Amino acid sequence: DIQMTQSPSSLSASVGDRVTITCRASQSISNILNWYQQKPGEAPKLLVYTASSLQSGVPSRFSGSGSGTDFTLTISSLQPEDSATYYCQQGYSAHAPTFGGGTKVEIK
Amino acid sequence: EVQVVESGGGLVQPGGSLRLSCAASGTTFINYEMNWVRQAPGKGLEWVSYISSSGSTIYYADSVRGRFSISREDAKESLYLQMDSLRAEDAAVYYCARGRYNDYFLKYFDVWGRGTLVTVSS
Repeated sequence: DIQMTQSPSSLSASVGDRVTITCRASQSISNILNWYQQKPGEAPKLLVYTASSLQSGVPSRFSGSGSGTDFTLTISSLQPEDSATYYCQQGYSAHAPTFGGGTKVEIK
Repeated sequence: EVQVVESGGGLVQPGGSLRLSCAASGTTFINYEMNWVRQAPGKGLEWVSYISSSGSTIYYADSVRGRFSISREDAKESLYLQMDSLRAEDAAVYYCARGRYNDYFLKYFDVWGRGTLVTVSS
């Protein structure tokens, strides 16, 4: 299986800060990498697909980049409603998809 | 708007069985490839199983293969997960998720339910 490693596992930042989360794949996955946001008690929500495409309705302060094994999710100006856990997920192995361990983002 | 709603979770003893259901609405269910994804309490997400739109192709995670069985009933726009020989480590919220695929890759999971909680304890 392709292993996905996220860092950091948690972070605390202030409103307006720029926040970056990284995700590393154990092998090259081209750009078949997605990012999800999950708030407590809710289902995951797709934010970014194929590494850098923003899902419809997602605020433009979210962006993704990367290819191969290294990827980033950036929140350009953190908002209170962005407090959540973020997961990366590879779809390169179509029928054995794997997720990163998650990054919990808290607002100071 | 496409929606999926899971049901069937509950408390079961180790070694027991449970059948989860996922009801879809707002879409032509028969066209879509579906998955189960689970999340143990306080933990991350783990893909569990996949079924093709026709039901003819099925995949399982190693952790559940031989114990879980995925199926679908298009006339009822429903997806199922039969879980047998349950273990403590199977305790989780189970999500039904629609997968969007091209010829080679899983593009993304774009529709998720709110999940149903399975507790395995004596």
